[in-house]
Amino acid sequence: GAVVSQHPSRVICKSGTSVKIECRSLDFQATTMFWYRQFPKQSLMLMATSNEGSKATYEQGVEKDKFLINHASLTLSTLTVTSAHPEDSSFYICSARDSRGTQYFGPGTRLTVL
Amino acid sequence: GNSVTQMEGPVTLSEEAFLTINCTYTATGYPSLFWYVQYPGEGLQLLLKATKADDKGSNKGFEATYRKETTSFHLEKGSVQVSDSAVYFCALSDSQGAQKLVFGQGTRLTINP
Repeated sequence: GAVVSQHPSRVICKSGTSVKIECRSLDFQATTMFWYRQFPKQSLMLMATSNEGSKATYEQGVEKDKFLINHASLTLSTLTVTSAHPEDSSFYICSARDSRGTQYFGPGTRLTVL
Repeated sequence: GNSVTQMEGPVTLSEEAFLTINCTYTATGYPSLFWYVQYPGEGLQLLLKATKADDKGSNKGFEATYRKETTSFHLEKGSVQVSDSAVYFCALSDSQGAQKLVFGQGTRLTINP
């Protein structure tokens, strides 16, 4: 099946710094990618929809200036958490949608902000 | 808005037991319904899906039927294995537009030998 990778898998950073997370579709092109956040023992919450070549669409309550999304190619979307704080610590998961509408998920990135 | 409610876990069963994980939804229009599985240390994988009422999705011995009258999409398997231990997520997607997924809270399943 289709494969989606994320990098890094884990990252620890100091408060106030920025962190970039990459999401790649390895064997298919994805005009649309999604970014989710998952808190411990909770479900996935959609943060934003990333469309290749255009601005991301953010869900209500998600700060677009804090969570910068860039979808520069059909196989790569990046999420940058700017000026990270401890409350941003979470598990971030991306997915990529293929031409038939099926979403394939990455393995996730665990962010810890000290 | 759209929402999905799953039975709370964790669920612990013995090998070869019958499994049911309940899922109900609230949605406008005609959503597609999905079950995703997350094995330890891995990303979510699509397990099965159904796109219209009375459709039955099936894969790896798991089944779920899209019941519009009861707004349900319960996951069943007749005989579980240790390798089925994972977290299971029920989800729906918009029938139009961005087709965003809305997830239930997930159910952790542990199968003991």
